[in-house]
Amino acid sequence: GDSVTQMEGPVTLSEEAFLTINCTYTATGYPSLFWYVQYPGEGLQLLLKATKADDKGSNKGFEATYRKETTSFHLEKGSVQVSDSAVYFCASGAGSYQLTFGKGTKLSVIP
Amino acid sequence: GAGVSQSPSNKVTEKGKDVELRCDPISGHTALYWYRQSLGQGLEFLIYFQGNSAPDKSGLPSDRFSAERTGGSVSTLTIQRTQQEDSAVYLCASSTGGWEPQHFGDGTRLSIL
Repeated sequence: GDSVTQMEGPVTLSEEAFLTINCTYTATGYPSLFWYVQYPGEGLQLLLKATKADDKGSNKGFEATYRKETTSFHLEKGSVQVSDSAVYFCASGAGSYQLTFGKGTKLSVIP
Repeated sequence: GAGVSQSPSNKVTEKGKDVELRCDPISGHTALYWYRQSLGQGLEFLIYFQGNSAPDKSGLPSDRFSAERTGGSVSTLTIQRTQQEDSAVYLCASSTGGWEPQHFGDGTRLSIL
């Protein structure tokens, strides 16, 4: 079946550091890919998405590019802020529009 | 506007009891999803509704789990004869369909004693 593997955390960075959270997927066909974020005490919310190969999703300074050749969708941000502290989930979607999630990566940004 | 509403926010019950979890999706959203978030398993898909029908129930872990949706709106997830391994946060999401973004509720935290 479909699966998503993302780097295990927790990840701790200083403010203004560069962030990469790796994500790879296995799926039949060509899934849509997503990053969701869960801020402390809040529900899951969509951060960005890409629906076909070479698409780049971006939002709030975060970016991820759909790489079919490496089956990857790595999340990047050039300069993180304390307010980016959250749990980040990579997800793939196909078929009946259900999402398959990675296990999540907890990011802590310290001043 | 109102987001996805789930109730109760917390539920503690004894092993063997039945529980009902409710989801009120965003008005006009035709697609509704149930997921489960647990420490060992991460986020798992349970069931998907399009309107009142459930074309994909593949994620329901056993026949103790069932769900229905009425009027193309509110959905109820029922767990019969609860077991300790059912303890988790149950999340509901809704969307306008297809690959439009799924909007998640805050979840119901279920604890089985």
